Amino acid sequence: GQSLEQPSEVTAVEGAIVQINCTYQTSGFYGLSWYQQHDGGAPTFLSYNALDGLEETGRFSSFLSRSDSYGYLLLQELQMKDSASYFCAVTSTSRDDKIIFGKGTRLHILP
Amino acid sequence: DVKVTQSSRYLVKRTGEKVFLECVQDMDHENMFWYRQDPGLGLRLIYFSYDVKMKEKGDIPEGYSVSREKKERFSLILESASTNQTSMYLCASNPLTASTDTQYFGPGTRLTVL
Repeated sequence: GQSLEQPSEVTAVEGAIVQINCTYQTSGFYGLSWYQQHDGGAPTFLSYNALDGLEETGRFSSFLSRSDSYGYLLLQELQMKDSASYFCAVTSTSRDDKIIFGKGTRLHILP
Repeated sequence: DVKVTQSSRYLVKRTGEKVFLECVQDMDHENMFWYRQDPGLGLRLIYFSYDVKMKEKGDIPEGYSVSREKKERFSLILESASTNQTSMYLCASNPLTASTDTQYFGPGTRLTVL
């Protein structure tokens, strides 16, 4: 079957670095993406990894290891506005290219 | 900027009513999607469409139907609303040439069925 696992909650301090992990189980893997969703808002796309390695976009980085079926989102220099839920998602060819979302990680940031 | 709009932010309906949720995107995207989001369950795909008049079932299509008569508009229909369909409904779109991971979401409709 298809599944994604990510922690339900993570807490970090303002200015620090936090890593949100995601492991997946699927066949015909295309890539791993990350979305951010603030309370009451719509999910917004953050990053996409199709190949192994680290992709950096400003304070956010995303990593993928296809051999380990594992990825993470790294948030640096945390700001209070980063308090949100973060979803990992995979696209699988075995599901006609449909995207599968994880259940989300709620990031709490302490001042 | 891509803009995806949904007809209502909040909606309250009674059990047994027929409910229409509408989604419009202004970027000529081929693909459109309907999800529902529930606490602890993440986003679950209800239906999607790759073209006008085309529809495919997602993971949880039971109790729902869809309509795509125009490229920019994708409607979700609850034929007879039930209390277990109380949820946040999110519409998304993306172009055919893009990775299907990169989806643009509307603001969502929070539906309550009494």
